Amino acid sequence: DQQVKQNSPSLSVQEGRISILNCDYTNSMFDYFLWYKKYPAEGPTFLISISSIKDKNEDGRFTVFLNKSAKHLSLHIVPSQPGDSAVYFCAASATNAGNMLTFGGGTRLMVKP
Amino acid sequence: DTEVTQTPKHLVMGMTNKKSLKCEQHMGHRAMYWYKQKAKKPPELMFVYSYEKLSINESVPSRFSPECPNSSLLNLHLHALQPEDSALYLCASSQDRGFSIYGYTFGSGTRLTVV
Repeated sequence: DQQVKQNSPSLSVQEGRISILNCDYTNSMFDYFLWYKKYPAEGPTFLISISSIKDKNEDGRFTVFLNKSAKHLSLHIVPSQPGDSAVYFCAASATNAGNMLTFGGGTRLMVKP
Repeated sequence: DTEVTQTPKHLVMGMTNKKSLKCEQHMGHRAMYWYKQKAKKPPELMFVYSYEKLSINESVPSRFSPECPNSSLLNLHLHALQPEDSALYLCASSQDRGFSIYGYTFGSGTRLTVV
């Protein structure tokens, strides 16, 4: 049973527009959430994170929103750039469960010039 | 140095071979991890080392044998693998076991093909 789900395997966006990547989780014990970006033939790169005590965290073009009641988080990229084309993984951890990361299945983002 | 270095980048091995994957970091991180990633799937945790001691083994078959010679190095010894073990093997590190607000630092992975 997948505890972290990314229901959209792929997303295509025009350059300059907003990209919204979604992630749902089922484990209410998760209290920390992260987004990773992965290019082909490279390891995942940490992008941005959010604690469950917050509902928004922003870093430049990247903003993560957390809706705890809906067990949903999203990553907004604005404006999207062709270099943002990659696979994005959502991950979650629970402080009382050793803080190990549980990853979602990933969403492939394609930003068209 | 803010990298995790994995060698080799690609490895093809027969089912009777013995090989090792290597991982190195010089960030002073005290936790290191092995993940396995199959195509179009998320990374799956295999092993966690914390302060050079094995702290988590996610029911990984004994044909995979991890080793942490020191705080900067992590090896994964492979023996008698099966074709279904073909995958991208990722090494990661973090300041301490579990999450860091900066996330884990991943290496580029070793693409393993078992023939």
